Amino acid sequence: AQSVTQPDIHITVSEGASLELRCNYSYGATPYLFWYVQSPGQGLQLLLKYFSGDTLVQGIKGFEAEFKRSQSSFNLRKPSVHWSDAAEYFCAVGAPYGNKLVFGAGTILRVKS
Amino acid sequence: EPEVTQTPSHQVTQMGQEVILRCVPISNHLYFYWYRQILGQKVEFLVSFYNNEISEKSEIFDDQFSVERPDGSNFTLKIRSTKLEDSAMYFCASSDRQIEYFGAGTRLSVL
Repeated sequence: AQSVTQPDIHITVSEGASLELRCNYSYGATPYLFWYVQSPGQGLQLLLKYFSGDTLVQGIKGFEAEFKRSQSSFNLRKPSVHWSDAAEYFCAVGAPYGNKLVFGAGTILRVKS
Repeated sequence: EPEVTQTPSHQVTQMGQEVILRCVPISNHLYFYWYRQILGQKVEFLVSFYNNEISEKSEIFDDQFSVERPDGSNFTLKIRSTKLEDSAMYFCASSDRQIEYFGAGTRLSVL
């Protein structure tokens, strides 16, 4: 069965510190992997995606993620967090051509000054 | 930048009433979806729609739910007789074959 695990429900980091949000997936075929961000009262905004090729992908707002097939992981990173990054982050797995996304439970990021 | 538009942003209804949630997907997209997020829980898939028919639905999507694309631009989710447990944020998404773009959601409150 398809599933996504985000082991950290909450993470608090200091502004300017580095960030890594963990994501592990289970998927029968070659996965398409996504990170979305949801600010309070907002919809889901795509941060980045991995389909194939280079396993380190760059996204918006200075985020990057690395696909590691051997570990079934797709962790999200940012070298220096800004207060505006405080939000909830969702990892998702899917496939093209109309296949649904399966989401993780989300990680709430708090940024302290 | 094109975006998915959902209306209303907040819908309050009485238990047993019918509600229709509306979505305008991105114009050249072919695949359409509804997801929901109960407060404090993960985003769950409800249904996908392609070529004017349902392509996949979850076990949540029972007979009281229906979707329709009544014209070339709108995509609606109807809940026939709302229950308290239908209270959630409902997200519409559309896809260009690879990436799903989400609307801001409709918060449904069933009283």
